[in-house]
Amino acid sequence: DAGITQSPRHKVTETGTPVTLRCHQTENHRYMYWYRQDPGHGLRLIHYSYGVKDTDKGEVSDGYSVSRSKTEDFLLTLESATSSQTSVYFCAISEYGDTNTQYFGPGTRLTVL
Amino acid sequence: GQQLNQSPQSMFIQEGEDVSMNCTSSSIFNTWLWYKQDPGEGPVLLIALYKAGELTSNGRLTAQFGITRKDSFLNISASIPSDVGIYFCAGSRSRDNYGQNFVFGPGTRLSVLP
Repeated sequence: DAGITQSPRHKVTETGTPVTLRCHQTENHRYMYWYRQDPGHGLRLIHYSYGVKDTDKGEVSDGYSVSRSKTEDFLLTLESATSSQTSVYFCAISEYGDTNTQYFGPGTRLTVL
Repeated sequence: GQQLNQSPQSMFIQEGEDVSMNCTSSSIFNTWLWYKQDPGEGPVLLIALYKAGELTSNGRLTAQFGITRKDSFLNISASIPSDVGIYFCAGSRSRDNYGQNFVFGPGTRLSVLP
């Protein structure tokens, strides 16, 4: 298994509060990704990073920001959580090169009340 | 955005039967991936395909990259109870310095009856 951990694994918060999710990898892979998974939608890309301090938006980036100050950590922040952001969030990593297959972390279940 | 379709959406099979599922797109892809997800866990990569027409096996699993580059197929032979889960396909067109951005299908839910 790829060395990817996510924290917290579960979180319940209230609307309007800030939330930060952390993804940590021990594989020294260049690329990191944040997805959300919702019933009927599969996995949708929120933001991704192609190096330290290099990030870009994905398909559903509104309401989310990210930061990557170290190779091993990729943070996802909800500045003011809304109920529509209740979801399961997955981090993924991939290494540089043509065979950029992605490996996923265990997920964080976030509930916004 | 790009959309992937997976069929069937769900299937119930008897243990020992073979399983076939597919993934189709309106766009051409350079890479196809197949994942399996168990409840409460992250998707686990099963097979990666990089060339049109490529046929790749991983144990009882075989996947093919369609020659039109708009589809991919996954077969599971002699299913067992631990094959239960949701199978996702993912396709990507880009392969550059910014990494690959994959589009995921909605999944095929497989149930195996003893």
